Amino acid sequence: VQVLESGGGLVQPGGSLRLSCAASGFTFSRYGMRWVRQAPGKGLEWVSSITDRGDDTYYAQSVKGRFTISRDNSKNTLYLELNSLRAEDTATYYCSKSPLSNWYFDVWGRGTLVTVSS
Amino acid sequence: QSALTQPASVSGSPGQSITISCTGTNSDVGDFKYVSWYQHHPGKAPKVLIYDVSDRPSGVSNRFSGSKSGNTASLTISGLQAEDEADYYCCSYTNTWAFGTGTKVTVL
Repeated sequence: VQVLESGGGLVQPGGSLRLSCAASGFTFSRYGMRWVRQAPGKGLEWVSSITDRGDDTYYAQSVKGRFTISRDNSKNTLYLELNSLRAEDTATYYCSKSPLSNWYFDVWGRGTLVTVSS
Repeated sequence: QSALTQPASVSGSPGQSITISCTGTNSDVGDFKYVSWYQHHPGKAPKVLIYDVSDRPSGVSNRFSGSKSGNTASLTISGLQAEDEADYYCCSYTNTWAFGTGTKVTVL
């Protein structure tokens, strides 16, 4: 059971980026998925979540209207579209899943670094 | 939700027990059972240690235990080992997730 993030990099303020999270070892379409980030020297911050079928999405206030979470269950892949990026969005972004009928994060990736700078 | 409050650092000698507190409010830690704890070694994937306040996932050492009293949840590490040196985060779920401010554990 694992998830592997990709797509991070250096982007200018106001720019866009799409992160991907490839899942393997479990039936991806059965589980809610989450993105959590950690800014340099800071703690963990929940960013966004999506239900198993993608019907419902949720966002932290700090990213609402700028980030979009989505998933492709046929490809076992989770996405996070980052738009209107700001310096404060600089962070390592982690993909995670929750177990069935619970709300904690039981599987995490190693993260992908997004740096917003001119 | 606002971030939950944890001590910035806790230290102990090998073999000792340490406790990390996580303080919230009636509307997060105090109100629900969905408190979890994570260990994070920098550069690695975070790892869940405790969920639902005091339950331990399969494979997690029984040296890690969780509890809650009022608005404060706690993680106790017994028999402290060198590999326990890491950052630790609590997390509460109440419609959305709120993480604690994080605690750096140092093994002396």
